[in-house]
Amino acid sequence: GAGVSQSPSNKVTEKGKDVELRCDPISGHTALYWYRQSLGQGLEFLIYFQGNSAPDKSGLPSDRFSAERTGGSVSTLTIQRTQQEDSAVYLCASSLVGTASNQPQHFGDGTRLSIL
Amino acid sequence: GENVEQHPSTLSVQEGDSAVIKCTYSDSASNYFPWYKQELGKRPQLIIDIRSNVGEKKDQRIAVTLNKTAKHFSLHITETQPEDSAVYFCAAPGEGGKLIFGQGTELSVKP
Repeated sequence: GAGVSQSPSNKVTEKGKDVELRCDPISGHTALYWYRQSLGQGLEFLIYFQGNSAPDKSGLPSDRFSAERTGGSVSTLTIQRTQQEDSAVYLCASSLVGTASNQPQHFGDGTRLSIL
Repeated sequence: GENVEQHPSTLSVQEGDSAVIKCTYSDSASNYFPWYKQELGKRPQLIIDIRSNVGEKKDQRIAVTLNKTAKHFSLHITETQPEDSAVYFCAAPGEGGKLIFGQGTELSVKP
């Protein structure tokens, strides 16, 4: 596709439910990143994929959060047993390569997650 | 540890004036510094970036300067227009290729 695509754009769910967020990166981009943005705040790094492997999971807030990427393309971020503090916009970005360097990251529109 | 500090947190200017946003970073090995603009409810958009082999880069009304010795970089917007109103984020590479973002500057350009 022309840009990073995320779905759903909005998700409202009850506390305790599991949610799955999807990111489809720009075609040919091998690096994929997940960030979280709370209302009026900056971007908090969650996890990074290079191809299908995740060299850096340091930002995942708890073991309720997990992510996978298959086929070097689409990634899913799963949050189990959601809590109200998980409410935020979850942003995905992709870049050509991801080695600590100078490749621009391009963002999707995000998924706005609301936990009731 | 990795850290990016951004100032000011809010900035209000009159249309036509210049705006300057400053960031400092902690990792002296950082070599790439992007700036993103985020309008309300929209995705962050890359507006300009600079690599460590240059000290300044310009793109029309936007410029970025980099001082590697002092470990700070700045965004300059000249002849500001109301459509420049948004939140601006600076960033620097962290370990493994992730970006460490500043806390953002909310720029308001008053007509």
